[in-house]
Amino acid sequence: QITLKESGPTLVKPTQTLTLTCTFSGFSFSTSGMSVNWIRQPPGKALEWLALIYWNEDQRYNPSLKSRLTITKDPSKNQVVLTLNNLDPVDTATYFCAHGSPSLDAFDIWGQGTTVTVSS
Amino acid sequence: QSVLTQPPSASGTPGQRVTISCSGSSSNIGTNYVKWYQQVPGTAPKLLIYSNTYRLSGVPDRFSGSKSGTSASLAISGLQSEDEADYYCAAWDDSLNGHVFGTGTKVTVL
Repeated sequence: QITLKESGPTLVKPTQTLTLTCTFSGFSFSTSGMSVNWIRQPPGKALEWLALIYWNEDQRYNPSLKSRLTITKDPSKNQVVLTLNNLDPVDTATYFCAHGSPSLDAFDIWGQGTTVTVSS
Repeated sequence: QSVLTQPPSASGTPGQRVTISCSGSSSNIGTNYVKWYQQVPGTAPKLLIYSNTYRLSGVPDRFSGSKSGTSASLAISGLQSEDEADYYCAAWDDSLNGHVFGTGTKVTVL
């Protein structure tokens, strides 16, 4: 059974850097084609894909945020870390991590999400 | 900022059929698979449809997906009260080299 859980600060100040951790179980980075993705959702707005890291460490980023995002993995801890720098209040959102299934080519399992508020 | 366009709302009475459209371009829907996600407000999205038309195991067969050219649709037949939720389409975009989501459609059961 695959599970994912996001963790990180709930309140951060503008210009600071946000670090979020996705801790997962039920799969590993040894599965060819799999990925872990980060998606966010501002209050009352649509989902926005942010970044992914593949089993082979290849990374992809949302072009509109690429300069501010970094995604890394720690297979020994079953974790994926996302950092977003130079925060602005518009970055206030619920941040989700999701398992990218290579067989379904879709986000088949999602974490519960973690809410981050950017405010001074 | 969403690349895929959906109507903001759709509604129907119990038992009716509701269809949600998703309009994209040749770089996303035109060449890649479409997925559909259901999100009850306050909860994480759930995968309903993958590879344009395939239901995830456990998803009721009243949900169906289709794709034609650069557009896709999600149909809910025999609408039920528990179908009241937000629905998002998604696809890989070859130009952006990343995933894109639709603008989202809120389905209301009258």
